[in-house]
Amino acid sequence: QKEVEQNSGPLSVPEGAIASLNCTYSDRGSQSFFWYRQYSGKSPELIMFIYSNGDKEDGRFTAQLNKASQYVSLLIRDSQPSDSATYLCAVKAGNMLTFGGGTRLMVKP
Amino acid sequence: EAQVTQNPRYLITVTGKKLTVTCSQNMNHEYMSWYRQDPGLGLRQIYYSMNVEVTDKGDVPEGYKVSRKEKRNFPLILESPSPNQTSLYFCASIPGYGYNEQFFGPGTRLTVL
Repeated sequence: QKEVEQNSGPLSVPEGAIASLNCTYSDRGSQSFFWYRQYSGKSPELIMFIYSNGDKEDGRFTAQLNKASQYVSLLIRDSQPSDSATYLCAVKAGNMLTFGGGTRLMVKP
Repeated sequence: EAQVTQNPRYLITVTGKKLTVTCSQNMNHEYMSWYRQDPGLGLRQIYYSMNVEVTDKGDVPEGYKVSRKEKRNFPLILESPSPNQTSLYFCASIPGYGYNEQFFGPGTRLTVL
């Protein structure tokens, strides 16, 4: 059984701080890694994806991948109250996309 | 407007009464899938389809059926629903293999009494 693990949170950070969200996965054959944001009662939306070891930056978001440690993270700089949501890590191997349970982020003004 | 639609959005039913949740996309995407979402468990894939008449099981296919007779439609069928199928269901589509972004439908909240 392929597993993707996330701390369920809630992770609480003050406005303007850096939020760090972490994810580990079990399948070493995983090829692509995704972060989705899901607001309460809404469908998930893709924030970022990463294939290669290292960092990938997009605006206030940075995804980090370490395949040797089977670890992927998402950093959100200058966190805003509008970033408050559940963040889902997803890992793709072949045709299968496996999601973690999500981390609930709360950004307090 | 490019979108994935699901119907119904909300459904309360009773054990054993067959139901179908429809999913339709207007983007000519090849790949479609169904997920269920339960608290703390994230999204779990039920079935996926890589093209017309091509379907395969995901992680939690028991109790569900699907069909893909047309590219745009991918209905989820519960032949004999049970209370453990009470969940939030999402349909999603992707243009094809190798593409990254999944386009999710708005979700269907199903309660089986």
